[in-house]
Formats: sequence, structure tokens, C-alpha cells
Amino acid sequence: KAGVTQTPRYLIKTRGQQVTLSCSPISGHRSVSWYQQTPGQGLQFLFEYFSETQRNKGNFPGRFSGRQFSNSRSEMNVSTLELGDSALYLCASTRGAGGRGSHYEQYFGPGTRLTVT
Amino acid sequence: AQSVTQLGSHVSVSEGALVLLRCNYSSSVPPYLFWYVQYPNQGLQLLLKYTSAATLVKGINGFEAEFKKSETSFHLTKPSAHMSDAAEYFCAVNFFRAFGKGNQVVVIP
Repeated sequence: KAGVTQTPRYLIKTRGQQVTLSCSPISGHRSVSWYQQTPGQGLQFLFEYFSETQRNKGNFPGRFSGRQFSNSRSEMNVSTLELGDSALYLCASTRGAGGRGSHYEQYFGPGTRLTVT
Repeated sequence: AQSVTQLGSHVSVSEGALVLLRCNYSSSVPPYLFWYVQYPNQGLQLLLKYTSAATLVKGINGFEAEFKKSETSFHLTKPSAHMSDAAEYFCAVNFFRAFGKGNQVVVIP
């Protein structure tokens, strides 16, 4: 079974631009979560989608948004990029519905490395 | 609220020696706990998880972890380090709620 795929793998943008990242979950997984990973902050939760609905959201500004399509594929968008948005963005899918009480593990993609100059 | 503490961002261990990575958590609900490993330029991969069955959990690559409720801990161990264990390790509690900041493990030959 194919794993979680993320495109593109690497991206360079300039401040003020916007960017869209894509994630395809494992077949049959309906929950997708996004994380920002930086050396200083570790993994920080952005948001989680299940059946096209955002179920949970982390503490990020409104410039960060996402959506999920009917085939469970997900995209996240960052508008008005700032230097501090440079990070590895990870997508993860899970078999169950996710959420706080979930014991299901997450399956991570390789990430998209975003560099903002 | 949930949170995870991993002390020591960088951990050096000699090849063949014990690997011990500490994880302490706080959770307002019964916790589910996870250890993930991340190799360079890859996403995270599950090592093992605790879901309230056995308190001693065995995972892949010879790793295991013990859940201790009284100490709110879920430390990861491996009896004998191998060069291939060089990676970053993350402890997480209750799904996405909180990840530790990670331990970068360096194995010294």
C-alpha cells in the first residue's frame, strides 16, 4: 500500500507570496493532520481534517489555512509568507477518526521543505 | 491540556551501549502515548505506542518503553545501540495534541 505522499518536496518562495502544499493520504485513511517542524519549536500542530471538515486547529495565525477534498486529499495554504514560515511541513494520515481520544497512530509523509527568502 | 517533556535535545551513546530517552507527559484525560523516529529527510515513523493494555510496550528495531502512571513517564529504551539508530526521536501524547521537542541521537562507534 502506498504511503503518504506530499508535493512538492522542496519549495523556495519570497516574502509576501503565498504557497499551497498538497498531501495524499494512505488509501482508506480519512483523517489528515498537518504539522510545522522547525529546529527550535519541534513539531507544532496546525490543523486536522476528517471527512472534509476541519475538526481541530492549532495556534497559528489565519494566514495558515487548509482544506480536504472528498477523496481525502488535503491542501494547506499559507498566504503573505514571512521569513519565520520557513520550515518542514509534515502531513500525516490516520485510519480512524483522529481526535483527542484516538489511539490510532499517524502515518507521516516525507514533508515539504519550504524556504522563504 | 496535554504536554510532553523530552530532556536533552542531543543524546550521544556508544555503539553497543544502552539507549535511554526520557519522556514525561501531562494529560487531562487517560493518555495514549507514542514514540516516533525520524531519519534525515524523512517523515516520522511509529516505533511503538501505549494504549492502556500492557504497561511494557515492545516496538520495532528492538526498542521498548514502559508506561509509569505514578511518574507520568514513558521512557524509551534499547539495550544495545546500533549505528542505524542515529536519528531523531519524538514522544507524543494523545494523537496530535502534543509532541516533545525531540532527542537527536548520535551513536559513537
